[in-house]
Amino acid sequence: DAGVTQSPTHLIKTRGQQVTLRCSPKSGHDTVSWYQQALGQGPQFIFQYYEEEERQRGNFPDRFSGHQFPNYSSELNVNALLLGDSALYLCASSPYGLAGGTDTQYFGPGTRLTVL
Amino acid sequence: GDSVTQMEGPVTLSEEAFLTINCTYTATGYPSLFWYVQYPGEGLQLLLKATKADDKGSNKGFEATYRKETTSFHLEKGSVQVSDSAVYFCALRGKTGNQFYFGTGTSLTVIP
Repeated sequence: DAGVTQSPTHLIKTRGQQVTLRCSPKSGHDTVSWYQQALGQGPQFIFQYYEEEERQRGNFPDRFSGHQFPNYSSELNVNALLLGDSALYLCASSPYGLAGGTDTQYFGPGTRLTVL
Repeated sequence: GDSVTQMEGPVTLSEEAFLTINCTYTATGYPSLFWYVQYPGEGLQLLLKATKADDKGSNKGFEATYRKETTSFHLEKGSVQVSDSAVYFCALRGKTGNQFYFGTGTSLTVIP
């Protein structure tokens, strides 16, 4: 059983560019959450997708957007990149979304984004 | 708002030493509490969890007890191994949403 997978592993962009990160959830999971982990910090919640809709959002600007596909995979898009967007971006999946049953999230290995 | 505060590191211990990493939380109601571990170059792995007061989560020799009276969820292990070297994150999920809140992490290095 494959766990949560993310691509690419590493990415280097320059300021002002746009980036798309991808995530495939663990088999049987239909809810995907995205987190930003700056160096030496804990993960910060960006948003969560369930049934192809953004259900909850953390304190991140509109430059951060996402999408969930019918097969439950998800993309994170960041526009107008800033130096401060350099971080490890983690995707987490869980069995289901809004009914309060998502007690456990399973994390992917992350995508390391460097903005120059 | 909901938040987690955990002991700052780094922590360096000799093999077979006793480990405690402190974690306290602020939340509305009764959140679920978690410890995640991150090995170098990897994502986060669930280590243990507790979903109500006085529950004890345990896994791989690690334990943590959900203490409502002190709003704490301290991680303990009686005898650490070199392979336990990693960064440990305390986290909570509130009862009114699916967002997880993480602490800043505590780096543990175990030396032979």
